[in-house]
Amino acid sequence: KAGVTQTPRYLIKTRGQQVTLSCSPISGHRSVSWYQQTPGQGLQFLFEYFSETQRNKGNFPGRFSGRQFSNSRSEMNVSTLELGDSALYLCASSLAPALSANYGYTFGSGTRLTVV
Amino acid sequence: GIQVEQSPPDLILQEGANSTLRCNFSDSVNNLQWFHQNPWGQLINLFYIPSGTKQNGRLSATTVATERYSLLYISSSQTTDSGVYFCAVEALRAGNNRKLIWGLGTSLGVNP
Repeated sequence: KAGVTQTPRYLIKTRGQQVTLSCSPISGHRSVSWYQQTPGQGLQFLFEYFSETQRNKGNFPGRFSGRQFSNSRSEMNVSTLELGDSALYLCASSLAPALSANYGYTFGSGTRLTVV
Repeated sequence: GIQVEQSPPDLILQEGANSTLRCNFSDSVNNLQWFHQNPWGQLINLFYIPSGTKQNGRLSATTVATERYSLLYISSSQTTDSGVYFCAVEALRAGNNRKLIWGLGTSLGVNP
């Protein structure tokens, strides 16, 4: 079966612009999470969506937002881009149907965003 | 919150050598995964191992949940094993707040 698909793979944007990244989870997975990876901060959690609802959010400014559609595909948006937003953005999907279930995450290939 | 520490931070091996990577965590977990990140950034899931031992080819992993550590063993290393190995956990007490907490990784280089 197809894995987690992220588009686009690479993006170059200018400071002040906004960007939208897309993630299609593994078929049947309803939980989608987003992570930011930078050399200085490592991997940090952005948010998690399940059945179109944001269940958890990390410590990022309001410029970072996301949503999930009825087919479980998710998008994240970053507005008013700053140089520090340059990073690899990774999306993960999980089968976990309930909060207490213990299921692993599968990651996409990521979107590498460069802000100039 | 839960802390994850990985050691060593860097490791250089000669092809064919064996190695052990360690992950310590500061609280009880209901999920622990080992990932290999390749040079293109792809995170490849190696093991989902909140407890016990698993093996997959030349790789094996053991998690001792009561002592809050996990080990990843790489035997007969190959140049293709190079990359960064991450340990990530989900805290048992996370409840509604599901998220992975990551170590800083072990950067492995295997020389031919």
